[in-house]
Amino acid sequence: EPEVTQTPSHQVTQMGQEVILRCVPISNHLYFYWYRQILGQKVEFLVSFYNNEISEKSEIFDDQFSVERPDGSNFTLKIRSTKLEDSAMYFCASSPESFSNQPQHFGDGTRLSIL
Amino acid sequence: QQQVKQSPQSLIVQKGGISIINCAYENTAFDYFPWYQQFPGKGPALLIAIRPDVSEKKEGRFTISFNKSAKQFSLHIMDSQPGDSATYFCAASGSSNYQLIWGAGTKLIIKP
Repeated sequence: EPEVTQTPSHQVTQMGQEVILRCVPISNHLYFYWYRQILGQKVEFLVSFYNNEISEKSEIFDDQFSVERPDGSNFTLKIRSTKLEDSAMYFCASSPESFSNQPQHFGDGTRLSIL
Repeated sequence: QQQVKQSPQSLIVQKGGISIINCAYENTAFDYFPWYQQFPGKGPALLIAIRPDVSEKKEGRFTISFNKSAKQFSLHIMDSQPGDSATYFCAASGSSNYQLIWGAGTKLIIKP
């Protein structure tokens, strides 16, 4: 069964450094998402991406964050200047279409630790 | 209004019993209600989902019950097995935006 792949599985970064989290969505999917989960808290939506542009973003997704689809397979989340509170699990998801009832398939996440 | 409230926070059920997890929402624009299962170190995996035009959906041992008037939906796991021990999340999304709004999660432990 096709799956969403995320790398790295764990990223440790000094505060203030830039970090790029990578995702390979399911190949025929068109809609891409990033979510995060701070330890012990609920999953939170960050951003959705369709047709090479951001469709929606949450209040969390401020100017420090950016997303990109640099080629036909990768989808990346960049945090420009990391803060301690950015420490979390970051999940990438993809879905076949851009309707609300389309299932979103998740990768296994990247654990981001900011020191 | 965007919240999804999930209970209980944790649940212990004997093997063979029925596990029941409840969720409530406020936003009547929500029209898609999935349940996700998450094992430690893994991402959430879609378990089962329902739309508000049906009151119940069953897939194997997993059933979603949906009460549109009460704005509540629940997951029932019949004949619960130790392999079902995981964290379960309810979520919701609507036609005005496609982001999933998540419940806080329920840690389910099935005792052998």
